Amino acid sequence: DGGITQSPKYLFRKEGQNVTLSCEQNLNHDAMYWYRQDPGQGLRLIYYSQIVNDFQKGDIAEGYSVSREKKESFPLTVTSAQKNPTAFYLCASTATGVAKNIQYFGAGTRLSVL
Amino acid sequence: GENVEQHPSTLSVQEGDSAVIKCTYSDSASNYFPWYKQELGKRPQLIIDIRSNVGEKKDQRIAVTLNKTAKHFSLHITETQPEDSAVYFCAASKSTGTASKLTFGTGTRLQVTL
Repeated sequence: DGGITQSPKYLFRKEGQNVTLSCEQNLNHDAMYWYRQDPGQGLRLIYYSQIVNDFQKGDIAEGYSVSREKKESFPLTVTSAQKNPTAFYLCASTATGVAKNIQYFGAGTRLSVL
Repeated sequence: GENVEQHPSTLSVQEGDSAVIKCTYSDSASNYFPWYKQELGKRPQLIIDIRSNVGEKKDQRIAVTLNKTAKHFSLHITETQPEDSAVYFCAASKSTGTASKLTFGTGTRLQVTL
């Protein structure tokens, strides 16, 4: 999967439940990102992290939380405060240096509400 | 923040014809402009990119042009083939420390008919 592994592929959330989406990379990339994609829409940035133990809000961070305890891992939690969580979630990472703009994407997690 | 507009939202061409997709951006500090191709249910794949110090870049049947003054950039696909059918996204970014935050357009669904 190009060095970025997202799991699970499909996820269902019950009302009031928090769920966590996994993203792992073995590319030794410093920066990692979470995007949300709604049907017929572009990708919107939720959170990003430039380095371990650091992360910043993107454009639509409300109702989401992240952690970056290890360089390889950047899990996303969709909390019960996110009232419309149904979407396709994509994780990405970038290298440092001259190639730092190029984002490599995982295969995505499709989240639905039961 | 950055705003990227993309047109058209759908585009149908006959096999062998050319296709052009246009994007405009708002932040004059943006300096990197990638184009992604996304097939249904799959991850976005980078197909070509251009940096702000270049006006045009070509890779076989695909080319991208950038007009910094007008703040718009375009994707050109020549001799289209059925396998070119997909959703195409433009994006713009500027570097932030070690990260590169992408702002995406809303996508163009390209259909290549026989």
